[in-house]
Amino acid sequence: DAKTTQPPSMDCAEGRAANLPCNHSTISGNEYVYWYRQIHSQGPQYIIHGLKNNETNEMASLIITEDRKSSTLILPHATLRDTAVYYCIVFYYDKVIFGPGTSLSVIP
Amino acid sequence: DTGVSQDPRHKITKRGQNVTFRCDPISEHNRLYWYRQTLGQGPEFLTYFQNEAQLEKSRLLSDRFSAERPKGSFSTLEIQRTEQGDSAMYLCASSFSVWQTSDNEKLFFGSGTQLSVL
Repeated sequence: DAKTTQPPSMDCAEGRAANLPCNHSTISGNEYVYWYRQIHSQGPQYIIHGLKNNETNEMASLIITEDRKSSTLILPHATLRDTAVYYCIVFYYDKVIFGPGTSLSVIP
Repeated sequence: DTGVSQDPRHKITKRGQNVTFRCDPISEHNRLYWYRQTLGQGPEFLTYFQNEAQLEKSRLLSDRFSAERPKGSFSTLEIQRTEQGDSAMYLCASSFSVWQTSDNEKLFFGSGTQLSVL
């Protein structure tokens, strides 16, 4: 079973920041937090990952709370192309299990 | 680097027939995963390999499903005596795993094989 909890759906206005939350209250000390997204009819695509520190790349930012029990994926300026299902995953040197994710709709 | 490729892209079969799918991972990747996905659901874990060794098979997977990864390169997923409930997208992914760390262990997915069982 997935070790994370995400809201099933969210809306975001185009051009605004999209903040997608993820709860992982049972995360262990060596487990990483990974985010993927899946655009309709395609395989999931890697976005970003982190262990303890906040991370930023060209696609998004990842904010992990100090106790590591939750995290937030931030898309700073959402576009219509960001409409997708976003998956938050925690794992360490084990199989990768996907939950149902959050369906993000970016609205014009 | 040509990415993960899966063949065929689409497969239509009749109930009771056997089908086999192929996945070619990224060449230097040592881990290979198979997932199944139905409409509106996240990818469901089926099995995964570390090189040629099958590390785990989902308990939800019946004996009709078998996967192999000979020589740790490409992999095949076979479904025997297909049922209508097997209709789904079958996704393959690969990654490079380093002993006792999961930093930068990104999964790369293929485009999937869409199976329709009539």
